[in-house]
Amino acid sequence: SAVISQKPSRDICQRGTSLTIQCQVDSQVTMMFWYRQQPGQSLTLIATANQGSEATYESGFVIDKFPISRPNLTFSTLTVSNMSPEDSSIYLCSVVASRYEQYFGPGTRLTVT
Amino acid sequence: LAKTTQPISMDSYEGQEVNITCSHNNIATNDYITWYQQFPSQGPRFIIQGYKTKVTNEVASLFIPADRKSSTLSLPRVSLSDTAVYYCLVGFLSGSARQLTFGSGTQLTVLP
Repeated sequence: SAVISQKPSRDICQRGTSLTIQCQVDSQVTMMFWYRQQPGQSLTLIATANQGSEATYESGFVIDKFPISRPNLTFSTLTVSNMSPEDSSIYLCSVVASRYEQYFGPGTRLTVT
Repeated sequence: LAKTTQPISMDSYEGQEVNITCSHNNIATNDYITWYQQFPSQGPRFIIQGYKTKVTNEVASLFIPADRKSSTLSLPRVSLSDTAVYYCLVGFLSGSARQLTFGSGTQLTVLP
């Protein structure tokens, strides 16, 4: 298993600003993902954070809006840029353990006013 | 991408067995089926994973028929603490390739 922490746990931001969310894992992992979970909804994959190269984004998500860094095998950041109220969600990072088992962080609850 | 369908909600009583079914008609050959549990204000927690037939661990069983177009999560003797949202996830992870589609989730409420 893997222990994952995220910072901040929650934040309230004004529209037009940006927020960077950090994800720290207690062990080196190859695969790391970022998800979004809108209020009362399921999880949607935003992107795969690739170590040493550009992230791979899912349909509907773009790098200019959600830039991702992955400087090493234990850390990643997701930035939500030029925020609007529609970006209010919980953002979660996850890592893959053995046999496709994903472990999720506690999430970052973002409210945009 | 494999689309999944789950019941929106289910109620049960303590001590009963609960079965939650997920439909995934267009599951691909490489796809695994994984179930997660999520409590409010927490990230999802892995419960069980399978490819075909039956898988059992200390908390649940997963039944997958031969055509793999559906799967059933079975929780034996539920307690109040099992009240949560349960998601099925169909997909695969291989190197840089990944296809991950979460179901809409089933809110399980366990009543005393």
